[in-house]
Amino acid sequence: DGGITQSPKYLFRKEGQNVTLSCEQNLNHDAMYWYRQDPGQGLRLIYYSQIVNDFQKGDIAEGYSVSREKKESFPLTVTSAQKNPTAFYLCASRLGGLNTGELFFGEGSRLTVL
Amino acid sequence: KNQVEQSPQSLIILEGKNCTLQCNYTVSPFSNLRWYKQDTGRGPVSLTIMTFSENTKSNGRYTATLDADTKQSSLHITASQLSDSASYICVVSAEAAGNKLTFGGGTRVLVKP
Repeated sequence: DGGITQSPKYLFRKEGQNVTLSCEQNLNHDAMYWYRQDPGQGLRLIYYSQIVNDFQKGDIAEGYSVSREKKESFPLTVTSAQKNPTAFYLCASRLGGLNTGELFFGEGSRLTVL
Repeated sequence: KNQVEQSPQSLIILEGKNCTLQCNYTVSPFSNLRWYKQDTGRGPVSLTIMTFSENTKSNGRYTATLDADTKQSSLHITASQLSDSASYICVVSAEAAGNKLTFGGGTRVLVKP
Protein backbone atom coordinates (compact mmCIF):
# COMPACT_ATOMS: atom_id res chain seq x y z
CA ASP A 1 0.00 0.00 0.00
CA GLY A 2 1.15 3.56 -0.68
CA GLY A 3 1.85 5.74 2.29
CA ILE A 4 4.28 7.42 4.61
CA THR A 5 6.32 5.40 7.06
CA GLN A 6 7.94 6.93 10.09
CA SER A 7 10.34 5.12 12.37
CA PRO A 8 10.88 4.54 15.15
CA LYS A 9 7.46 4.94 16.72
CA TYR A 10 8.99 5.59 20.13
CA LEU A 11 12.50 6.80 20.89
CA PHE A 12 14.27 7.60 24.11
CA ARG A 13 17.36 9.75 24.16
CA LYS A 14 19.80 10.91 26.77
CA GLU A 15 20.61 14.58 26.94
CA GLY A 16 23.47 15.53 24.65
CA GLN A 17 22.76 12.83 22.07
CA ASN A 18 21.71 13.37 18.48
CA VAL A 19 18.91 11.21 17.12
CA THR A 20 17.59 10.71 13.59
CA LEU A 21 13.94 10.10 12.77
CA SER A 22 13.21 8.33 9.52
CA CYS A 23 10.48 9.30 7.05
CA GLU A 24 9.90 7.35 3.83
CA GLN A 25 7.10 7.76 1.31
CA ASN A 26 6.14 5.76 -1.76
CA LEU A 27 3.44 8.16 -2.94
CA ASN A 28 5.75 9.83 -5.48
CA HIS A 29 5.12 13.20 -3.81
CA ASP A 30 7.58 16.00 -4.44
CA ALA A 31 7.04 17.94 -1.22
CA MET A 32 7.76 16.64 2.25
CA TYR A 33 7.45 18.25 5.68
CA TRP A 34 8.42 17.78 9.32
CA TYR A 35 6.16 19.07 12.07
CA ARG A 36 6.42 19.07 15.82
CA GLN A 37 3.32 18.59 17.99
CA ASP A 38 3.16 19.53 21.66
CA PRO A 39 0.11 18.97 23.89
CA GLY A 40 -2.60 21.56 23.33
CA GLN A 41 -0.66 23.35 20.61
CA GLY A 42 -1.02 23.45 16.87
CA LEU A 43 1.51 21.67 14.71
CA ARG A 44 4.62 23.73 14.07
CA LEU A 45 6.72 23.46 10.93
CA ILE A 46 10.36 22.46 11.42
CA TYR A 47 11.62 21.97 7.87
CA TYR A 48 10.14 21.35 4.45
CA SER A 49 11.43 20.25 1.07
CA GLN A 50 9.74 20.80 -2.25
CA ILE A 51 12.27 18.97 -4.36
CA VAL A 52 15.22 16.63 -4.04
CA ASN A 53 18.44 18.24 -2.77
CA ASP A 54 16.59 21.33 -1.58
CA PHE A 55 14.97 22.16 1.76
CA GLN A 56 13.86 25.22 3.68
CA LYS A 57 13.67 26.13 7.36
CA GLY A 58 10.28 26.32 8.93
CA ASP A 59 9.22 28.27 12.01
CA ILE A 60 11.22 26.27 14.57
CA ALA A 61 14.27 24.91 12.74
CA GLU A 62 16.83 25.67 15.45
CA GLY A 63 18.37 22.50 16.82
CA TYR A 64 17.18 20.35 13.90
CA SER A 65 18.69 19.30 10.57
CA VAL A 66 17.38 17.46 7.51
CA SER A 67 18.52 16.04 4.21
CA ARG A 68 16.70 15.21 0.98
CA GLU A 69 19.00 13.04 -1.09
CA LYS A 70 16.17 10.93 -2.49
CA LYS A 71 12.58 11.80 -3.38
CA GLU A 72 11.29 9.07 -1.11
CA SER A 73 13.24 9.98 2.01
CA PHE A 74 13.35 12.99 4.32
CA PRO A 75 15.11 12.15 7.61
CA LEU A 76 15.11 14.56 10.54
CA THR A 77 18.00 14.80 12.99
CA VAL A 78 17.28 16.21 16.42
CA THR A 79 20.59 17.56 17.64
CA SER A 80 21.84 18.19 21.14
CA ALA A 81 21.35 21.90 20.43
CA GLN A 82 17.56 21.46 20.61
CA LYS A 83 16.74 22.60 24.14
CA ASN A 84 13.37 20.92 24.54
CA PRO A 85 13.22 17.99 22.15
CA THR A 86 10.61 15.86 23.91
CA ALA A 87 7.63 15.94 21.54
CA PHE A 88 5.59 14.07 18.94
CA TYR A 89 7.11 14.45 15.48
CA LEU A 90 5.03 14.15 12.33
CA CYS A 91 6.25 13.78 8.78
CA ALA A 92 3.98 14.63 5.86
CA SER A 93 4.04 14.71 2.09
CA ARG A 94 1.91 16.66 -0.30
CA LEU A 95 -0.06 15.74 -3.36
CA GLY A 96 -1.03 18.43 -5.80
CA GLY A 97 -0.40 22.13 -6.15
CA LEU A 98 0.86 24.66 -3.72
CA ASN A 99 -2.48 25.94 -2.46
CA THR A 100 -4.82 22.97 -2.65
CA GLY A 101 -2.44 20.08 -2.26
CA GLU A 102 -3.61 17.40 0.12
CA LEU A 103 -1.26 16.63 3.02
CA PHE A 104 -0.68 13.00 3.94
CA PHE A 105 0.80 12.35 7.37
CA GLY A 106 2.82 9.49 8.77
CA GLU A 107 1.96 7.83 12.07
CA GLY A 108 4.40 9.95 14.04
CA SER A 109 7.46 9.39 16.21
CA ARG A 110 7.40 10.15 19.91
CA LEU A 111 10.76 11.30 21.23
CA THR A 112 11.42 11.42 24.95
CA VAL A 113 14.60 12.86 26.41
CA LEU A 114 15.59 11.25 29.68
CA LYS B 1 0.05 37.39 12.74
CA ASN B 2 -1.82 34.42 11.26
CA GLN B 3 -3.78 32.54 13.90
CA VAL B 4 -6.31 29.72 14.10
CA GLU B 5 -8.39 29.35 17.25
CA GLN B 6 -10.56 26.33 17.93
CA SER B 7 -13.31 25.86 20.45
CA PRO B 8 -14.11 24.15 22.64
CA GLN B 9 -10.77 22.66 23.68
CA SER B 10 -12.55 19.44 24.56
CA LEU B 11 -16.03 18.02 24.77
CA ILE B 12 -17.80 14.86 25.80
CA ILE B 13 -20.87 13.62 23.97
CA LEU B 14 -23.06 10.55 24.16
CA GLU B 15 -23.00 8.06 21.33
CA GLY B 16 -25.61 8.88 18.73
CA LYS B 17 -25.71 12.60 19.52
CA ASN B 18 -24.56 15.42 17.25
CA CYS B 19 -21.91 18.03 17.99
CA THR B 20 -20.37 21.08 16.36
CA LEU B 21 -16.79 22.25 16.58
CA GLN B 22 -15.74 25.82 15.85
CA CYS B 23 -12.74 27.33 14.11
CA ASN B 24 -11.98 31.06 13.85
CA TYR B 25 -9.02 32.30 11.86
CA THR B 26 -7.15 35.46 11.04
CA VAL B 27 -5.05 34.02 8.21
CA SER B 28 -4.69 36.34 5.26
CA PRO B 29 -4.81 36.15 2.31
CA PHE B 30 -7.02 33.10 2.64
CA SER B 31 -6.52 30.15 0.30
CA ASN B 32 -8.26 27.15 1.81
CA LEU B 33 -9.35 25.57 5.07
CA ARG B 34 -8.90 21.94 6.05
CA TRP B 35 -10.23 19.76 8.82
CA TYR B 36 -8.22 16.78 10.02
CA LYS B 37 -9.05 13.97 12.43
CA GLN B 38 -6.25 12.73 14.65
CA ASP B 39 -6.58 9.60 16.73
CA THR B 40 -4.47 9.50 19.88
CA GLY B 41 -0.86 8.72 19.04
CA ARG B 42 -1.50 8.65 15.31
CA GLY B 43 -1.01 11.02 12.39
CA PRO B 44 -3.82 13.36 11.26
CA VAL B 45 -6.12 12.20 8.47
CA SER B 46 -7.86 14.63 6.14
CA LEU B 47 -11.63 15.03 6.42
CA THR B 48 -12.35 18.00 4.16
CA ILE B 49 -10.67 20.82 2.29
CA MET B 50 -12.62 23.94 1.35
CA THR B 51 -11.71 26.85 -0.87
CA PHE B 52 -13.02 30.41 -0.71
CA SER B 53 -16.05 29.72 -2.88
CA GLU B 54 -17.28 26.68 -0.96
CA ASN B 55 -19.76 27.08 1.89
CA THR B 56 -20.35 23.46 2.80
CA LYS B 57 -18.60 20.16 2.24
CA SER B 58 -19.51 16.76 3.60
CA ASN B 59 -17.57 13.57 4.18
CA GLY B 60 -19.94 10.92 5.47
CA ARG B 61 -21.20 12.01 8.88
CA TYR B 62 -18.83 14.99 8.91
CA THR B 63 -20.03 18.30 7.47
CA ALA B 64 -17.81 21.36 7.34
CA THR B 65 -19.05 24.89 6.75
CA LEU B 66 -17.09 27.98 5.84
CA ASP B 67 -17.97 31.66 6.15
CA ALA B 68 -15.07 33.50 4.54
CA ASP B 69 -16.60 36.88 5.40
CA THR B 70 -16.57 36.27 9.15
CA LYS B 71 -13.53 33.97 8.92
CA GLN B 72 -15.27 31.13 10.68
CA SER B 73 -15.65 27.45 10.02
CA SER B 74 -17.48 24.69 11.80
CA LEU B 75 -17.32 20.91 11.72
CA HIS B 76 -20.55 19.10 12.48
CA ILE B 77 -20.53 15.45 13.48
CA THR B 78 -23.85 13.69 13.01
CA ALA B 79 -24.96 10.63 14.95
CA SER B 80 -21.63 10.27 16.72
CA GLN B 81 -19.96 6.90 17.07
CA LEU B 82 -17.35 5.69 19.54
CA SER B 83 -14.79 5.78 16.71
CA ASP B 84 -15.30 9.55 16.44
CA SER B 85 -13.33 9.96 19.68
CA ALA B 86 -10.29 11.88 18.49
CA SER B 87 -8.83 15.35 18.14
CA TYR B 88 -10.11 17.48 15.29
CA ILE B 89 -7.71 20.00 13.84
CA CYS B 90 -8.55 23.05 11.76
CA VAL B 91 -5.82 24.17 9.34
CA VAL B 92 -5.88 27.34 7.25
CA SER B 93 -3.69 27.96 4.24
CA ALA B 94 -2.43 31.38 3.23
CA GLU B 95 -2.20 32.10 -0.48
CA ALA B 96 1.50 32.70 -0.79
CA ALA B 97 4.63 30.98 -1.99
CA GLY B 98 5.30 27.88 0.05
CA ASN B 99 1.63 27.34 0.93
CA LYS B 100 2.01 28.37 4.55
CA LEU B 101 -0.30 26.34 6.80
CA THR B 102 -1.46 27.56 10.20
CA PHE B 103 -2.73 24.84 12.53
CA GLY B 104 -5.26 25.23 15.31
CA GLY B 105 -4.66 23.55 18.65
CA GLY B 106 -7.46 21.08 18.05
CA THR B 107 -10.66 20.05 19.81
CA ARG B 108 -10.55 16.76 21.67
CA VAL B 109 -13.82 14.86 21.35
CA LEU B 110 -14.74 11.94 23.57
CA VAL B 111 -17.79 9.90 22.62
CA LYS B 112 -19.23 7.86 25.48
CA PRO B 113 -21.59 4.90 25.15
